Amino acid sequence: DAGITQSPRHKVTETGTPVTLRCHQTENHRYMYWYRQDPGHGLRLIHYSYGVKDTDKGEVSDGYSVSRSKTEDFLLTLESATSSQTSVYFCAISESSPSSYNEQFFGPGTRLTVL
Amino acid sequence: RKEVEQDPGPFNVPEGATVAFNCTYSNSASQSFFWYRQDCRKEPKLLMSVYSSGNEDGRFTAQLNRASQYISLLIRDSKLSDSATYLCVAYSVKLTFGQGTILTVHP
Repeated sequence: DAGITQSPRHKVTETGTPVTLRCHQTENHRYMYWYRQDPGHGLRLIHYSYGVKDTDKGEVSDGYSVSRSKTEDFLLTLESATSSQTSVYFCAISESSPSSYNEQFFGPGTRLTVL
Repeated sequence: RKEVEQDPGPFNVPEGATVAFNCTYSNSASQSFFWYRQDCRKEPKLLMSVYSSGNEDGRFTAQLNRASQYISLLIRDSKLSDSATYLCVAYSVKLTFGQGTILTVHP
């Protein structure tokens, strides 16, 4: 299995509080991604990174920010959590762009509940 | 209309059965296609990449029909361990996931 860890694995928080999720990889892959998974929607891309300090928005980026100061770490921050952000969050990595059939490897996920 | 659409199922089949999943995509510019498998409360894992000529990996066969914009996955001789959610994925600039098809294989 690819070396990807996510922390925390579970979190319950209250509306309006800031939350930071961490993704850590030991594979030295260039690309890192944050997805959320909700019933009826599948996995949706929040933000992604194609290198240290290089990030871009995905399709559901509102209310989220990211940072990547090191190759191995990709942080997802909810500045002020809302109940609509209750979800399962997955981090993924890939060696290069998936257009060349490069596989995306997923972390174990973080279950976030916003009350 | 969703970019990638799958029948959510669930499909309930006996061991040994053959089961097929179809998936349609709306973006004709999609370049690459994949099937991922996701076990309950686990992360998705790549099952197969889908090549334009179709490809086979043991009991699994994936096919792509660009003219009709659909992708299929065929599972032969189903095993209990095949029970999972199968995610259809299309790539064009980014990966777009279908919502998944649930398969339950029973004894």
